[in-house]
Amino acid sequence: GAGVSQSPSNKVTEKGKDVELRCDPISGHTALYWYRQSLGQGLEFLIYFQGNSAPDKSGLPSDRFSAERTGGSVSTLTIQRTQQEDSAVYLCASSDTSKSDEQFFGPGTRLTVL
Amino acid sequence: QKEVEQDPGPLSVPEGAIVSLNCTYSNSAFQYFMWYRQYSRKGPELLMYTYSSGNKEDGRFTAQVDKSSKYISLFIRDSQPSDSATYLCATALGNFNKFYFGSGTKLNVKP
Repeated sequence: GAGVSQSPSNKVTEKGKDVELRCDPISGHTALYWYRQSLGQGLEFLIYFQGNSAPDKSGLPSDRFSAERTGGSVSTLTIQRTQQEDSAVYLCASSDTSKSDEQFFGPGTRLTVL
Repeated sequence: QKEVEQDPGPLSVPEGAIVSLNCTYSNSAFQYFMWYRQYSRKGPELLMYTYSSGNKEDGRFTAQVDKSSKYISLFIRDSQPSDSATYLCATALGNFNKFYFGSGTKLNVKP
């Protein structure tokens, strides 16, 4: 079946603008994660959704970052008033925690803030 | 101190060499240990997964965890040019709410 998809694949924006990044997880996966990967850095955890539970937002770096997951499926990560330091690849992953703990990653959205 | 430390490399080896990739972690409560492979401009994909200490082998790949020294290793035997990628180690607590990743080691296997 289809894997995790993310859109857009690339986004160039100007400092101060808001951006929305979208993640379509694998159908039926209850868990969804957002990560940020800066050049030469590992994956930085941002937020975790599990079913209908309240999300774990402990990794969001500032209040400019927010995420939602509608209907337990598609998720949107929103960055308000973007800064140059927000430039990174934003990766989404999903997993079916009833079967295994493996996360399946999407290809990422490469965000460049000018 | 970062939760997981990993030498970023790059590591360049000739085809057929044995490759050793390593990470250290700080939290003794971590129970799950993973290695991911990430090709350029792609998302990471899970290679190996181990629970607690010990070895796990899958083809040319062996994952090793030493909880007493908080050390994670991945060995690649008979390395191939197709193994050229960035390898990320990761750890998790038992609840899988959060995964902690190393910075990744870039491996280049030369034909």
